[in-house]
Amino acid sequence: GAGVSQSPSNKVTEKGKDVELRCDPISGHTALYWYRQSLGQGLEFLIYFQGNSAPDKSGLPSDRFSAERTGGSVSTLTIQRTQQEDSAVYLCASSHLVEFIADTQYFGPGTRLTVL
Amino acid sequence: AQTVTQSQPEMSVQDAETVTLSCTYDTSENNYYLFWYKQPPSRQMILVIRQEAYKQQNATENRFSVNFQKAAKSFSLKISDSQLGDTAMYFCAFGSGTYKYIFGTGTRLKVLA
Repeated sequence: GAGVSQSPSNKVTEKGKDVELRCDPISGHTALYWYRQSLGQGLEFLIYFQGNSAPDKSGLPSDRFSAERTGGSVSTLTIQRTQQEDSAVYLCASSHLVEFIADTQYFGPGTRLTVL
Repeated sequence: AQTVTQSQPEMSVQDAETVTLSCTYDTSENNYYLFWYKQPPSRQMILVIRQEAYKQQNATENRFSVNFQKAAKSFSLKISDSQLGDTAMYFCAFGSGTYKYIFGTGTRLKVLA
């Protein structure tokens, strides 16, 4: 597609339930990033994919968070046993990989997660 | 560790006026990219302008330009002829050789009619 897409755009869930957030990157972009943005705050890095592998998972806040990427394209961020502090906007971005240097990231519209 | 600092949490400017948003960063790397992103209330993050560290010439994109001072590790954004549509959160970001981006905490800009 023309840009990064994310689904759903909004998700309301009950505490303790599992949720899956989906990201479709720009076709041909090797790198894919997940960020979390709490209300009025900056971006918190969660995880980065190069192809299907995740060289950097350092930002995942707990073992309730996991992510995968298949076929070098679509990625899914899964949050198990959601907690109210997981409420935030989850942003996905993709980019080309320029040797050694992180190039321009293109962001999706985000998924707003609300945990009741 | 790399850091990005935006010291102005909020700013306002009259339409048609010029405003400058500041950003400083810290790194020991020599090759990197710097970015300004705009996030309107609709929340879609949009690239405004990009600067390659090895280029001395400041990047410009229409009404948007940067003042890149590599030695001082400063990367400010100037918006000329401000428009109501420029109202947004602006994030400065640093892209390094580890493929990781470091974002500043953002500056909320309001353009006043």
